[in-house]
Amino acid sequence: AQSVAQPEDQVNVAEGNPLTVKCTYSVSGNPYLFWYVQYPNRGLQFLLKYITGDNLVKGSYGFEAEFNKSQTSFHLKKPSALVSDSALYFCAVTLRGDDKIIFGKGTRLHILP
Amino acid sequence: KAGVTQTPRYLIKTRGQQVTLSCSPISGHRSVSWYQQTPGQGLQFLFEYFSETQRNKGNFPGRFSGRQFSNSRSEMNVSTLELGDSALYLCASSLGGGGYQPQHFGDGTRLSIL
Repeated sequence: AQSVAQPEDQVNVAEGNPLTVKCTYSVSGNPYLFWYVQYPNRGLQFLLKYITGDNLVKGSYGFEAEFNKSQTSFHLKKPSALVSDSALYFCAVTLRGDDKIIFGKGTRLHILP
Repeated sequence: KAGVTQTPRYLIKTRGQQVTLSCSPISGHRSVSWYQQTPGQGLQFLFEYFSETQRNKGNFPGRFSGRQFSNSRSEMNVSTLELGDSALYLCASSLGGGGYQPQHFGDGTRLSIL
């Protein structure tokens, strides 16, 4: 069965420091991988996705993520955190040809001023 | 282009009642999915509709049902409400077809059961 793991419930980072939000996945085929962000009282917003090609993908608000097939990981990164990056982040996976999406449980990111 | 619209934004019901939530997807999107979000259980998949057919279903009791109309608008119904049904219900739409299209979420309906 497909699954997505976000091992950290919460990540605290000082403003200006680099941030990483971790995600690992387990699928039986070739995955499509996504990151979404949720601000309070809002729905999820799409940040970026990996479909194929370059393992480093860039997305909205300066975020990027690196697909690592051997480690089955897709960690979200940003070189310099902003207080406004504080939110709930979800990693998600689909299989090629299947629209069913599996979400991780989410990681709450706190950027400290 | 207008985003995904969910109505109402807030709803208060009592145990035993039933409720219908509405979702209007982005124009041209044929896939609509529903999720329940709670602090304890996180984001849980309810079901997905594509061209009026339910394609995928999560592990929820039969009290939770949905449908999709020919214009892709979707409704979700919960009957015999329980206290544990209090949650944020999110709708998401996508173009569908292949798994590589991102989902676009509405801001949800917050349902409170008294």
